[in-house]
Amino acid sequence: GQNIDQPTEMTATEGAIVQINCTYQTSGFNGLFWYQQHAGEAPTFLSYNVLDGLEEKGRFSSFLSRSKGYSYLLLKELQMKDSASYLCAVSNSNYQLIWGAGTKLIIKP
Amino acid sequence: GAVVSQHPSRVICKSGTSVKIECRSLDFQATTMFWYRQFPKQSLMLMATSNEGSKATYEQGVEKDKFLINHASLTLSTLTVTSAHPEDSSFYICSARGQEGFYEQYFGPGTRLTVT
Repeated sequence: GQNIDQPTEMTATEGAIVQINCTYQTSGFNGLFWYQQHAGEAPTFLSYNVLDGLEEKGRFSSFLSRSKGYSYLLLKELQMKDSASYLCAVSNSNYQLIWGAGTKLIIKP
Repeated sequence: GAVVSQHPSRVICKSGTSVKIECRSLDFQATTMFWYRQFPKQSLMLMATSNEGSKATYEQGVEKDKFLINHASLTLSTLTVTSAHPEDSSFYICSARGQEGFYEQYFGPGTRLTVT
């Protein structure tokens, strides 16, 4: 079967750094996405990785290791507005997105 | 960036009635649109994939006669929930994928459906 695993919930402090991990097993691979979703809203795109390595975009970075079936999203200089769910999704051989259950990130002052 | 709209944003209907939700890509042509459902504190669940001009492909367990999907043009897809029941109450989100490239899906803002 196909599955995406990520922690259910994480807590971090404002101003700190947090790393959200994602492991996957899918039929084929055409890229990995990270989305942010605030409660009651639709997901918004954060990053896309298709090659191994680190992609940096401002305070957010995303890393991919295809051989390990592993990715992480790194959030720096955390702000209260970063409190949200973070969804990991993998595009499989049919370009269908397989979604993780999401990681709820709680930021404390 | 690419913009996807959904209408209505919220709808309350009585049990047994039908509700239509529209999903539009405003500044690009969407060859493929996706319909998701999300229950509180749960992840997105793909309901169906629709390609313009062809029948939608439904995920296992999703009743195609209950959730009617029409993708009549490259900018519009509709989801009709027929004979709605309280258990159909959920957050319905559409996304669209353009012709160029196969990766990113652009999400609409979602529709909150409440069936009383």
